[in-house]
Amino acid sequence: QSALTQPASVSGSPGQSITISCTGTTSDVGAYNYVSWYQQHPGKAPRLMIYDVSKRPSGVSNRFSGSRSGNTASLTISGLQAEDGADYYCCSYAGSGTFVVFGGGTKLTVL
Amino acid sequence: QLQLQESGPGLVKPSETLSLTCAVSGGSISSSNYYWGWIRQPPGKGLEWIGSIFYSGSTYYSPSLKSRLTISVDTSKNQFSLKLSSVTAADTAVYYCTRHAALRSPFDPWGQGTLVTVSS
Repeated sequence: QSALTQPASVSGSPGQSITISCTGTTSDVGAYNYVSWYQQHPGKAPRLMIYDVSKRPSGVSNRFSGSRSGNTASLTISGLQAEDGADYYCCSYAGSGTFVVFGGGTKLTVL
Repeated sequence: QLQLQESGPGLVKPSETLSLTCAVSGGSISSSNYYWGWIRQPPGKGLEWIGSIFYSGSTYYSPSLKSRLTISVDTSKNQFSLKLSSVTAADTAVYYCTRHAALRSPFDPWGQGTLVTVSS
């Protein structure tokens, strides 16, 4: 069982927006501004999409955005495109001792 | 551009030790203050952080794997390694190596991953 809770699946039509939630605790998501999000296509390595809750690495579309409220972080993808269909994982720093925790992953289907 | 490449046996017997190496190219493993990490993904399941090592040799392990885990760095070969002892079928996974600037920092880039199956 993963430390962070994500919905197993979400779906949306091209052009729409979707949001994936990632719920943790006051020891991880709620405690630090160090939540990241990864996109993973089948058979590929994960790709960093968001870091430090809401920052986008160079090369990542501005259709991807991140936010956090309390113990829940969220990834929003606007203007859905077919190539956005993938698994998405959240990750949070969890302090000394535990260090890093991941969510169980969310499968995004673009209808 | 930094690149990471995992290598090691694809099949390990139960109770034996799983050993993997990550070769780093496009940059020196010891020239900058980075952490080098391992993450795994069982077939059809999610990601799990295994542990990380600072370029100087300090290690940080997942509490659930700490008793079986050793991560080391070989600066002369520009690579770092993972050893996981007493493996069981539950350790079957794709193992990725990666880099991060601090324990709190995101993982980027990643190696392509290597599948390790634990079976007799």
